[in-house]
Amino acid sequence: GQQVMQIPQYQHVQEGEDFTTYCNSSTTLSNIQWYKQRPGGHPVFLIQLVKSGEVKKQKRLTFQFGEAKKNSSLHITATQTTDVGTYFCAVSWSSSNTGKLIFGQGTTLQVKP
Amino acid sequence: DAGVIQSPRHEVTEMGQEVTLRCKPISGHNSLFWYRQTMMRGLELLIYFNNNVPIDDSGMPEDRFSAKMPNASFSTLKIQPSEPRDSAVYFCASTSGNTLSPLHFGNGTRLTVT
Repeated sequence: GQQVMQIPQYQHVQEGEDFTTYCNSSTTLSNIQWYKQRPGGHPVFLIQLVKSGEVKKQKRLTFQFGEAKKNSSLHITATQTTDVGTYFCAVSWSSSNTGKLIFGQGTTLQVKP
Repeated sequence: DAGVIQSPRHEVTEMGQEVTLRCKPISGHNSLFWYRQTMMRGLELLIYFNNNVPIDDSGMPEDRFSAKMPNASFSTLKIQPSEPRDSAVYFCASTSGNTLSPLHFGNGTRLTVT
């Protein structure tokens, strides 16, 4: 079946270092969304990518969608302790109007002050 | 906007008991999703509804799990009988029903089955 792989599972960084998480699919995606879940919280929507090669930025966060629409990345520049949490990609393989999203396993980010 | 409302926040029950989790989606949203989160399996999609109709229940683990959406403002997820391996955080999420729309999650129900 269709699956999405997200790596790494965990990442520990020193405050100020950069962080990147990757999301990969074996088949072409329709769109991809990124979510952040703080410890003890619920996933919160960050951004959506739809177009091949798309790049979007939110302050220190940069999101990319691969040219083949099979992979995506989230990069955080100069991490801060407020970036702590688990980052999930959520993907759809179909452009049909049903809204079904499958989540990756998530990357848990720890930031040491 | 009250957001997605789930109840209860915490549920502790004994193996064999029936458990009912409740969800009120955001008003105007026509798609509702039930996810289960565990350390081992991450966020699993259990079932989702579109316009109150179950569209895909392939993620429901077994017949002990059932979900209903009797109207646009209410859904339930029932486990009967419950087992210790059902212990997890269960999230409800709603959206406007398009894959281009973000999911809005509730605060979740933390279920512990002893």
